Amino acid sequence: GQNIDQPTEMTATEGAIVQINCTYQTSGFNGLFWYQQHAGEAPTFLSYNVLDGLEEKGRFSSFLSRSKGYSYLLLKELQMKDSASYLCAVRDLGGSYIPTFGRGTSLIVHP
Amino acid sequence: DVKVTQSSRYLVKRTGEKVFLECVQDMDHENMFWYRQDPGLGLRLIYFSYDVKMKEKGDIPEGYSVSREKKERFSLILESASTNQTSMYLCASSFEQGAGTDTQYFGPGTRLTVL
Repeated sequence: GQNIDQPTEMTATEGAIVQINCTYQTSGFNGLFWYQQHAGEAPTFLSYNVLDGLEEKGRFSSFLSRSKGYSYLLLKELQMKDSASYLCAVRDLGGSYIPTFGRGTSLIVHP
Repeated sequence: DVKVTQSSRYLVKRTGEKVFLECVQDMDHENMFWYRQDPGLGLRLIYFSYDVKMKEKGDIPEGYSVSREKKERFSLILESASTNQTSMYLCASSFEQGAGTDTQYFGPGTRLTVL
């Protein structure tokens, strides 16, 4: 299985940039996902990384380093609506191929 | 757009009752999943299914069973509800297991309270 670690909570200011880190340990890495979950709502897909490097999608970017077992989600030009939980999930080559989720990072954006 | 629906947003049951949580997806996805989400513990996989009538245990299957009689529908059953099963239950579906992005699409969740 995977051991996935992300900070429990972060705060940031509207308009700023925030980086949410995720570290993992896995026997056979096969992809990393980031999901966003607003309070009381379903998680929604943000990004997927399987190769090293940065994937950019508008204000959101996700980075992966497989050798370091490390990813981050970068949110630029923060808006109040970005206040949410951000879930890192890692898929392993072995077993069922189903991603295992970290405990999530609660991001609070204040004015 | 993929739509995953769950039968109830909120449910209150008594200890010992049999509870059915229903999930339906409309995109002909092969895979369906049931998770529970608790503060500080994140999303934990209870059961999943990769085909009709097929089911596999996840990380925390004890006290639960599932049924998948039709491709679009995946039911979670609590045979005898207990207070430690009070939680948010999320259903998800995905197209093809382990393939590429294989994004999971989640339903809105059912908040179950067992008294």
